[in-house]
Amino acid sequence: DAMVIQNPRYQVTQFGKPVTLSCSQTLNHNVMYWYQQKSSQAPKLLFHYYDKDFNNEADTPDNFQSRRPNTSFCFLDIRSPGLGDAAMYLCATSDGRTTYNEQFFGPGTRLTVL
Amino acid sequence: AQKVTQAQTEISVVEKEDVTLDCVYETRDTTYYLFWYKQPPSGELVFLIRRNSFDEQNEISGRYSWNFQKSTSSFNFTITASQVVDSAVYFCALSEARTGNQFYFGTGTSLTVIP
Repeated sequence: DAMVIQNPRYQVTQFGKPVTLSCSQTLNHNVMYWYQQKSSQAPKLLFHYYDKDFNNEADTPDNFQSRRPNTSFCFLDIRSPGLGDAAMYLCATSDGRTTYNEQFFGPGTRLTVL
Repeated sequence: AQKVTQAQTEISVVEKEDVTLDCVYETRDTTYYLFWYKQPPSGELVFLIRRNSFDEQNEISGRYSWNFQKSTSSFNFTITASQVVDSAVYFCALSEARTGNQFYFGTGTSLTVIP
């Protein structure tokens, strides 16, 4: 089945220790997104790639970076995690060549910062 | 300003009851898309339905039905004969043709179905 895969599902890191979350997709979608979701809140868009073009949300902290080496993979790098960065991180994809931009989500990575 | 409002933060119903989740949206675009997603405790957001602004027909899929009314800018979701497996957080979202890939999520409604 075509899907969005996120690894790891659970990640524990220490305050200030860099961490990388990964996302891969078999849908051949050209748009990939990273969302941060804190407890009892809606997902918050951090950034997205339209093909190779990176689009950063204005309020995304510089501490968050992303890489997309190819169509299938996208990474979220948190350079110096703080306690406030503990959250669920969701990856999503969509086919930007259609008009309705339905997004397909992965299972998420739950990040704990000690 | 909030583009998508889900006024119900938490709802509890007894199994087999019907329940309606409200969603009110705000947009100036004439072309837009509305979505409902389900987020069970496992965390994955599961796509339920998409509606475009030119199609006001209501839709039924099994126990799920959606009522789209442009006159009141609402896109409500009804679960008939609720089951425990329906317990989850439900998000309504809006995508505007003008902004393309931007999704505006509501704050979600947490539904608990009590056996």
